Amino acid sequence: DAKTTQPNSMESNEEEPVHLPCNHSTISGTDYIHWYRQLPSQGPEYVIHGLTSNVNNRMASLAIAEDRKSSTLILHRATLRDAAVYYCILRDWETSGSRLTFGEGTQLTVNP
Amino acid sequence: EAGVAQSPRYKIIEKRQSVAFWCNPISGHATLYWYQQILGQGPKLLIQFQNNGVVDDSQLPKDRFSAERLKGVDSTLKIQPAKLEDSAVYLCASGGQVLTEAFFGQGTRLTVV
Repeated sequence: DAKTTQPNSMESNEEEPVHLPCNHSTISGTDYIHWYRQLPSQGPEYVIHGLTSNVNNRMASLAIAEDRKSSTLILHRATLRDAAVYYCILRDWETSGSRLTFGEGTQLTVNP
Repeated sequence: EAGVAQSPRYKIIEKRQSVAFWCNPISGHATLYWYQQILGQGPKLLIQFQNNGVVDDSQLPKDRFSAERLKGVDSTLKIQPAKLEDSAVYLCASGGQVLTEAFFGQGTRLTVV
């Protein structure tokens, strides 16, 4: 599996935007970029995914670099409920039932 | 829509005892995953099923861990005998083909004393 690199922790203030970076320099052409987050004492939950173009949904936006070697998850207005560990994961669409492999993620702290 | 159900939520056992966890995935989901999450770490995939067949069990400690998914629906994960280092949260997830999301249960917190 191609590897991702994320900062261990980040801090933000409530109602401000948050940009969570992820580096994936060894990404292959068939890898999708997925983001999950894990709230305290909960299982992980899906946030967003993309291949090449930037993506938006009700939870977040995903900005993908032109060379696809990095991406950024954007929370437009952080709330206290967004405090969680955020995982950036690569998944190969050519592999049927491919692994969903988690790294260590980024612990996001949101200050009131 | 009902989510992924796991039971029990908590379990405390002594080392060398056996324990089993149960998972009922979302109806219709062919893929089922079991993860182990040690405190402070990301979830580690133990085994992945596609229907009732094993797709990946390369990280399952087969000398003590076993899992089955009869009839391609619910699944059980067993540890026998348990060790202190097995203390962790065991997460079950279903769905999650590459272009779709995986849904996780709340997990079973196992403490081995």
